[in-house]
Amino acid sequence: ETGVTQSPTHLIKTRGQQVTLRCSSQSGHNTVSWYQQALGQGPQFIFQYYREEENGRGNFPPRFSGLQFPNYSSELNVNALELDDSALYLCASSLDGYTDTQYFGPGTRLTVL
Amino acid sequence: GIQVEQSPPDLILQEGANSTLRCNFSDSVNNLQWFHQNPWGQLINLFYIPSGTKQNGRLSATTVATERYSLLYISSSQTTDSGVYFCAGRGGGGADGLTFGKGTHLIIQP
Repeated sequence: ETGVTQSPTHLIKTRGQQVTLRCSSQSGHNTVSWYQQALGQGPQFIFQYYREEENGRGNFPPRFSGLQFPNYSSELNVNALELDDSALYLCASSLDGYTDTQYFGPGTRLTVL
Repeated sequence: GIQVEQSPPDLILQEGANSTLRCNFSDSVNNLQWFHQNPWGQLINLFYIPSGTKQNGRLSATTVATERYSLLYISSSQTTDSGVYFCAGRGGGGADGLTFGKGTHLIIQP
């Protein structure tokens, strides 16, 4: 086990709704990154938070937003859900997010109907 | 950003066989990891290896940073080695996160 936890495990939403996913980082890690993995594909980088500030973002629209809290846990929020948002959402924590090992949580599987 | 190419995309082997998975990068990376994704989606860290060679039991990995490729070796395969293997790297400059390849789907038959 990596020490990274995510909740919920599974989630079903309908198109147009909003969703919040949560991640607790490994003890001592101050960087959290979020990834989206569509079926049959490799994970794609959404964004990264370092000490409560977003310091990197992939090619995702603004309706994907996030937060990092003082205890370094994090939330991913997705507004106006679309069918293509159905995917496995993974968070990873690391010491510095740059040259350090990233440890992944078990993921949240989101289905949008 | 960098591009990551993995080969082969699919590999079917008999138990006990050895295998080599390859990962090519379009540019230099300062972070390179190999993962095994289990059927439940968990990405299991195998190696953090931006350069050099490492071994862990039946698995070993080698990264030749100057030539922008990495190899994962699995010896004496077991059925539990089945799954998808990903390599991922991060280029220099900015917090771009890890870029993943499309993975190698490995099936070990008894």
